[in-house]
Amino acid sequence: QVQLVESGGGVVQPGRSLRLSCAASGFTFSSHGMHWVRQAPGKGLEWVAVIWYDGSNKYYADSVKGRFTISRDNSKNTLYLQMNSLRAEDTAVYYCARWGGGNEYFQHWGQGTLVTVSS
Amino acid sequence: QTVVTQEPSFSVSPGGTVTLTCGLNSGSVSTSYYPSWYQQTPGQAPRTLIYSTNTRSSGVPDRFSGSILGNKAALTITGAQADDESDYYCVLYMGGSWVFGGGTKLTVL
Repeated sequence: QVQLVESGGGVVQPGRSLRLSCAASGFTFSSHGMHWVRQAPGKGLEWVAVIWYDGSNKYYADSVKGRFTISRDNSKNTLYLQMNSLRAEDTAVYYCARWGGGNEYFQHWGQGTLVTVSS
Repeated sequence: QTVVTQEPSFSVSPGGTVTLTCGLNSGSVSTSYYPSWYQQTPGQAPRTLIYSTNTRSSGVPDRFSGSILGNKAALTITGAQADDESDYYCVLYMGGSWVFGGGTKLTVL
């Protein structure tokens, strides 16, 4: 069965960097696009970024553009989110999700990892 | 700026039917936006319910259905059960980006 396991969250100071990972199993990772979605405490869900199955295309929400970078290593079945210049408003649970292809939806979800930006 | 609108809260009686909607601040929602719906309970990851307007995700019971009603996407729950009490989010595909609605908190009482 599809499994997505996020890691790398923690407490970080404003302005610093953090890299999240999402380990995928139970499917052919290199055949599927992947997303990051986040949820601030007590708030709704927010789409963050998407990467094509081969890494050829990447798109970002305006709120993270220029600060966050999505990437993947298909040889390791792992998705990444490099987060730089972190702000308090980036505090959230970060979920990775498998893209549902041409149906443009989030097909499978990980359990999430919490990032807290605080001094 | 694109804003996807949802009712902040809704309540339904056990066994009743409820329809949650998903609109746009500018224009109508159509199938071209590939509306999808997600259920989330506190502390849990979202669960995918409906995609591409009206296709149920694997394992989702048929009392959950999706449609376009007027100028909005809609999620209808028939025969509501206690464990349907959750937050429900819709998402619209905006061509290279995805926009979530603010979510609807559904109470079953």
